[in-house]
Amino acid sequence: DTAVSQTPKYLVTQMGNDKSIKCEQNLGHDTMYWYKQDSKKFLKIMFSYNNKELIINETVPNRFSPKSPDKAHLNLHINSLELGDSAVYFCASSQLYRQLKRETQYFGPGTRLLVL
Amino acid sequence: AQKVTQAQTEISVVEKEDVTLDCVYETRDTTYYLFWYKQPPSGELVFLIRRNSFDEQNEISGRYSWNFQKSTSSFNFTITASQVVDSAVYFCALSEWGAQKLVFGQGTRLTINP
Repeated sequence: DTAVSQTPKYLVTQMGNDKSIKCEQNLGHDTMYWYKQDSKKFLKIMFSYNNKELIINETVPNRFSPKSPDKAHLNLHINSLELGDSAVYFCASSQLYRQLKRETQYFGPGTRLLVL
Repeated sequence: AQKVTQAQTEISVVEKEDVTLDCVYETRDTTYYLFWYKQPPSGELVFLIRRNSFDEQNEISGRYSWNFQKSTSSFNFTITASQVVDSAVYFCALSEWGAQKLVFGQGTRLTINP
């Protein structure tokens, strides 16, 4: 009965490789997000999708490409991985109500990416 | 612009002590949401509380309590009779009305020593 799930949990790869992280939510939410947590624990928004439509792209390099095949899924593909991409990536979801009232964001367990 | 400041980087107390985590925010919006999340050593982000800007009532949930004061733009979190299991990094976050994102503070690492 996991609400927001991510795979894989750990990802170790070489510089220059391409990798994907998958996210799924079973909360029936219409908005999904990707956040990055750096080595100092700082959390920052990367992308936001509402009903499969990109809403926020927070000056993320275009090596990062999110894809939302449906409302319940938001995947993150990263091309040409760099050392600085090492971080924990969190997926989250929430529901948008009328008049822009927004529900709480619930987070997945995180994917720990290490680029060697 | 939105900003959240958690000035306390690390706090260490002995079990059963009370501890308060400070959070100060900046926003130009009159309507916004404030949140606290807990990140235990296992790494997940656990939602603790959400407050609307038009609801300044303080909240208590067991040993946890939150003090929201718009006059000082603060949303502080107090743990009463702390326990070792409270050891975690705690994040305060802000979301402006209609915004599609959370802006997080730097986090406060809380260590409860037995």
